[in-house]
Amino acid sequence: KNQVEQSPQSLIILEGKNCTLQCNYTVSPFSNLRWYKQDTGRGPVSLTIMTFSENTKSNGRYTATLDADTKQSSLHITASQLSDSASYICVVGRDDKIIFGKGTRLHILP
Amino acid sequence: KAGVTQTPRYLIKTRGQQVTLSCSPISGHRSVSWYQQTPGQGLQFLFEYFSETQRNKGNFPGRFSGRQFSNSRSEMNVSTLELGDSALYLCASSLPTSGDAYEQYFGPGTRLTVT
Repeated sequence: KNQVEQSPQSLIILEGKNCTLQCNYTVSPFSNLRWYKQDTGRGPVSLTIMTFSENTKSNGRYTATLDADTKQSSLHITASQLSDSASYICVVGRDDKIIFGKGTRLHILP
Repeated sequence: KAGVTQTPRYLIKTRGQQVTLSCSPISGHRSVSWYQQTPGQGLQFLFEYFSETQRNKGNFPGRFSGRQFSNSRSEMNVSTLELGDSALYLCASSLPTSGDAYEQYFGPGTRLTVT
């Protein structure tokens, strides 16, 4: 069954600290993997998109990694800011569909 | 360049009624996808339209329908509303999918509450 599992479900860290969010998937055949950030009350915004041949991609303080062999991805956030408080959604694409994880809710405390 | 717009932003309906939501994609984008987002289920794919044709469809009942116009604007209709239809409905647009990793741009969503 094609699934995308994210962990943790919720995470609280202090401002300035780093954190890593995990995404495991069983989607096959795999086409691409994306990370989105969704602020409360807003639509998701794309952070990174990686295809099968890419194993890392950065967007400012956000760095995504992909291990297509183990079907795992992570999103690392460096020097967190209060504005990083949001839900982070992992999305895996197949040729014919895209499958969403349920997201990790990140809270940054001052 | 203007982003994806959705109207209305908020809507309250009663059970049994029907509702129509509208989405205007980014200029030049021909693909429009609709999603339902609820706290328990996360984002779930409803359908995708490309050049006025439904190209993909998720696992939702026939009460959920949509269409796309020649200017790429799209509407989604839900008939005979149920309490469980309360959700954030998101629209996303993208350029023609000629490659694997096309990017989707989401609108702000329409928050539908069914009472």
